[in-house]
Amino acid sequence: DVQLVESGGGLVQPGQSVTLSCAASGFSFASYWMNWVRQTPGRGLEWVSRIRSDATFSSYADSVRGRFTISRDNAMNTVHLQMNSLRAEDTGVYFCVRSLVGDGTMDVWGKGTTVTVSS
Amino acid sequence: SYDLTQPPSVSVSPGQTATITCSGEELTEKNVCWFRQRAGQSPLLVIYQDFRRPSGIPERFSGSNSGNTATLSITGTQAVDDGVYFCQAWDSGIAVFGGGTRLTAL
Repeated sequence: DVQLVESGGGLVQPGQSVTLSCAASGFSFASYWMNWVRQTPGRGLEWVSRIRSDATFSSYADSVRGRFTISRDNAMNTVHLQMNSLRAEDTGVYFCVRSLVGDGTMDVWGKGTTVTVSS
Repeated sequence: SYDLTQPPSVSVSPGQTATITCSGEELTEKNVCWFRQRAGQSPLLVIYQDFRRPSGIPERFSGSNSGNTATLSITGTQAVDDGVYFCQAWDSGIAVFGGGTRLTAL
């Protein structure tokens, strides 16, 4: 079965850092773009970042650019999201999401990991 | 920034057709996806490329996209179809989501 499993969430103080990880299985991970999407009470679903299958390109939402970094390890079938200078508004559930080759359709979602930024 | 607008809620009697709209500027120029999210679960893709259904999604789900409005239709709505439905499109390399529509089959 195709599966994405996120980890690394928790309670973090404002200004601190955390790294989320996503372990993929059941498909040819190195062939797919991967995304992080978050869901917050105030802003609903918000796309955060994506990374090309070969890791040569990545992009970010304006709200996180310069603070978050996406990376992947195709040998380990994992994608990561390093989150620095965290703010209260970064609080939410973070989903790892696979994109279909071609038009970016986000077809497989993990269950999510919760990040809470609070002092 | 690009915005997608959905009605907050739609109610439908079981067995009837539910219609959920998603509006955005020149939306017909983009590929629209629809996701259903049940409480406590992650979103599930139900329609992609405006009208295509992923494997395992019932035929009662259909989609269209014309002008500035994309539409998700669910014929013969059942209680299992309850949830929040989100539309999504890519604009200038950014994935944009609608605010979500809560569907209730009363």
